Amino acid sequence: GAGVSQTPSNKVTEKGKYVELRCDPISGHTALYWYRQSLGQGPEFLIYFQGTGAADDSGLPNDRFFAVRPEGSVSTLKIQRTERGDSAVYLCASSQIGTGGNEQFFGPGTRLTVL
Amino acid sequence: AQSVTQLDSQVPVFEEAPVELRCNYSSSVSVYLFWYVQYPNQGLQLLLKYLSGSTLVKGINGFEAEFNKSQTSFHLRKPSVHISDTAEYFCAVSSNAGNMLTFGGGTRLMVKP
Repeated sequence: GAGVSQTPSNKVTEKGKYVELRCDPISGHTALYWYRQSLGQGPEFLIYFQGTGAADDSGLPNDRFFAVRPEGSVSTLKIQRTERGDSAVYLCASSQIGTGGNEQFFGPGTRLTVL
Repeated sequence: AQSVTQLDSQVPVFEEAPVELRCNYSSSVSVYLFWYVQYPNQGLQLLLKYLSGSTLVKGINGFEAEFNKSQTSFHLRKPSVHISDTAEYFCAVSSNAGNMLTFGGGTRLMVKP
């Protein structure tokens, strides 16, 4: 079946602009995660959805970052007033349920470049 | 809070040689342990995971890892590597609280002919 997909694959924007990154999880997966991977580092957790609600948003760096999952499937990560330090690969993952040990399936990521 | 340390940022090795990629973690609760691989220009792929039971875990592509609770380690091994194993390898932990992953900084495995 289809894996996790993310669009766009690349996004170049200017400092101060607003961007939206989309994630389509594997069908039937109730848990969805966003991570950010800066160059030369491991992915860092941003936010976790169980169904439609954000169960844990403790990884969001500040209030410029926001994510939604209104129907419990597709999720959108929104970044306001982008800064050069936001440049990174944004990864989305999904799993069948959000309990410990369940495998997370990752999408290919969206590479965000803020000029 | 949890943390993961991958002591080696790069590991060069000749083809058909054995390799060990080191991973140490810290956590105040019981954890689940994972190794993911990231090939160039591709997404993260699960190699293997430890949930409970036998401390020796076998994964895909001939990799295996051993969970050592007393040393809080989960080192990844392969007895004979191939050129195609060249990739970035990430160790990660999660707990029952939400299952979000905490990753190490990654180890770049470079297999030379």
